[in-house]
Amino acid sequence: SQTIHQWPATLVQPVGSPLSLECTVEGTSNPNLYWYRQAAGRGLQLLFYSVGIGQISSEVPQNLSASRPQDRQFILSSKKLLLSDSGFYLCACDRGTDTQYFGPGTRLTVL
Amino acid sequence: AQTVTQSQPEMSVQEAETVTLSCTYDTSESNYYLFWYKQPPSRQMILVIRQEAYKQQNATENRFSVNFQKAAKSFSLKISDSQLGDTAMYFCAFMKHDGGATNKLIFGTGTLLAVQP
Repeated sequence: SQTIHQWPATLVQPVGSPLSLECTVEGTSNPNLYWYRQAAGRGLQLLFYSVGIGQISSEVPQNLSASRPQDRQFILSSKKLLLSDSGFYLCACDRGTDTQYFGPGTRLTVL
Repeated sequence: AQTVTQSQPEMSVQEAETVTLSCTYDTSESNYYLFWYKQPPSRQMILVIRQEAYKQQNATENRFSVNFQKAAKSFSLKISDSQLGDTAMYFCAFMKHDGGATNKLIFGTGTLLAVQP
């Protein structure tokens, strides 16, 4: 079964600074990869998904971008963070089946 | 567009008792999946149970079972013999099944369950 790693676990960044969150997957190949954001006290919102290297689809317009430089690596980035970017970011994967499995998440606080 | 509604923001249950969490959804699709995920204080999202809409039989996983009412668009989760480790936020989620390459989950806002000793 697959294992999803996310780095870092916690991050505190000032407004206007850049961001790079990393998600890596072990134990599977050619996964679909997803970035979700969970604002405080809310459910998860899908931000980006990817079906392969270099293939990124965005679900909502925002200050963030995503990239997939390798089959099992998914990166979430920003050039300039906003206060509203604070939240809990979760990476998920599936093998084209119906069930997604999640990583441990990254807690981002923008001050 | 599909929506998922969890009308119980918080619930409490005594250890060893049974609790039911409610979820309703809105969709015009006929083929889809429904999920319950658990998010304990560690915030790791853990799959609890899944249900295919074309199956009439309710899914069961050990102490967890669902009551799937397709016509009513209702998908409740029953937790039997509640344990302290069941304390978590529970999310109901919907996924359309269209044979596509990607599967987009739509989540409800969650129910915070506290199991009391």
